Amino acid sequence: AQTVTQSQPEMSVQEAETVTLSCTYDTSENNYYLFWYKQPPSRQMILVIRQEAYKQQNATENRFSVNFQKAAKSFSLKISDSQLGDTAMYFCAFMKIQGAQKLVFGQGTRLTINP
Amino acid sequence: GAVVSQHPSRVICKSGTSVKIECRSLDFQATTMFWYRQFPKKSLMLMATSNEGSKATYEQGVEKDKFLINHASLTLSTLTVTSAHPEDSSFYICSAHNRRTSSYEQYFGPGTRLTVT
Repeated sequence: AQTVTQSQPEMSVQEAETVTLSCTYDTSENNYYLFWYKQPPSRQMILVIRQEAYKQQNATENRFSVNFQKAAKSFSLKISDSQLGDTAMYFCAFMKIQGAQKLVFGQGTRLTINP
Repeated sequence: GAVVSQHPSRVICKSGTSVKIECRSLDFQATTMFWYRQFPKKSLMLMATSNEGSKATYEQGVEKDKFLINHASLTLSTLTVTSAHPEDSSFYICSAHNRRTSSYEQYFGPGTRLTVT
């Protein structure tokens, strides 16, 4: 079974700073997807960024980028020039490509951006 | 992105009654829908996977007779909490997926807060 671990329950940074959220996972699969989801106070889940395991290049979406280390099974999220609207819970998630394509979520990191 | 709705957004019911939560994909066909439960300040826990036209697959520890899931069409799945108890109070979230057109994307509904008194 796959597991996803987020070791930082809470983080807090000042607006405009850069912050990195950690995520590690365990799997015997070779092909899979990894995701970062954001859950703001509204509780609507929002996809931030995704990474296909077969791609070596790290995914980037505007101010959001990942550091994907497949051998180390690590998938961290970097938020540059953080904004107040980035305040939310962030969940790292894993999905197998084959089979039911269920998402396995980490415990979450509560990120607060301070003005 | 695609839109998924849930109804109701909030519901309060009495102990022993049943309550139904609807999950609809508004602008795409959802071959698969997933139901999650989220406790306060916790992560999402997958309860079951439902494929259109077939029986739902429940995760270990989830009572299928208590949490009835129906996925009768490509745009609607329902979760019925039967004989609800206060411990069933939680935030329930659905997500929808079309395996025929997307290899990975799941679209989430806004969630339903259930309170059992």
